[in-house]
Amino acid sequence: EADIYQTPRYLVIGTGKKITLECSQTMGHDKMYWYQQDPGMELHLIHYSYGVNSTEKGDLSSESTVSRIRTEHFPLTLESARPSHTSQYLCASSEPGQGREKLFFGSGTQLSVL
Amino acid sequence: GEDVEQSLFLSVREGDSSVINCTYTDSSSTYLYWYKQEPGAGLQLLTYIFSNMDMKQDQRLTVLLNKKDKHLSLRIADTQTGDSAIYFCAERSTPAGNKLTFGGGTRVLVKP
Repeated sequence: EADIYQTPRYLVIGTGKKITLECSQTMGHDKMYWYQQDPGMELHLIHYSYGVNSTEKGDLSSESTVSRIRTEHFPLTLESARPSHTSQYLCASSEPGQGREKLFFGSGTQLSVL
Repeated sequence: GEDVEQSLFLSVREGDSSVINCTYTDSSSTYLYWYKQEPGAGLQLLTYIFSNMDMKQDQRLTVLLNKKDKHLSLRIADTQTGDSAIYFCAERSTPAGNKLTFGGGTRVLVKP
């Protein structure tokens, strides 16, 4: 069973607040990802990392930032939350190696910005 | 760019077979995946198929790949109420690195 954790599970916050969504995995995976998913819509990659000190922007433009100081930790930060940031954020990590790469997902953080 | 399309909704009776379809545009896809998302949960990898395979069977799940038509399907035999969820098709192509492109998901409702 995958060991990847996201906190908080749900977050309701006011406009202008700074927030950090936490993601941790205990599998030693180098690659980690953040996806954004609106209700009933497809997943969009917003950030990814190939390892410590590596961060890249994904296909979907996002005002969020990420950091990767430790292998197991990949937090996502919004400096000033807005209602347009309301969405579900899914963190994932993948097994090393080429080929049959498998993504393991956390349970997600449902963010609501009022 | 890559694009993955799925039908939005599927309703099936308990005990029947479900077939979820997916089409993709990237001819350089190497691996194709099916994920399941239950309400309020993250995505769970169900199965995957390498692009040089036509079929893969894993217990109640059968994946069929028609590479010529860029069509992928997931068949669930003897569908149970616990199979009610959203199913996402995803493709990975080496030129795009290790990123996956997901479809919009098919919501499967299993009726008793």
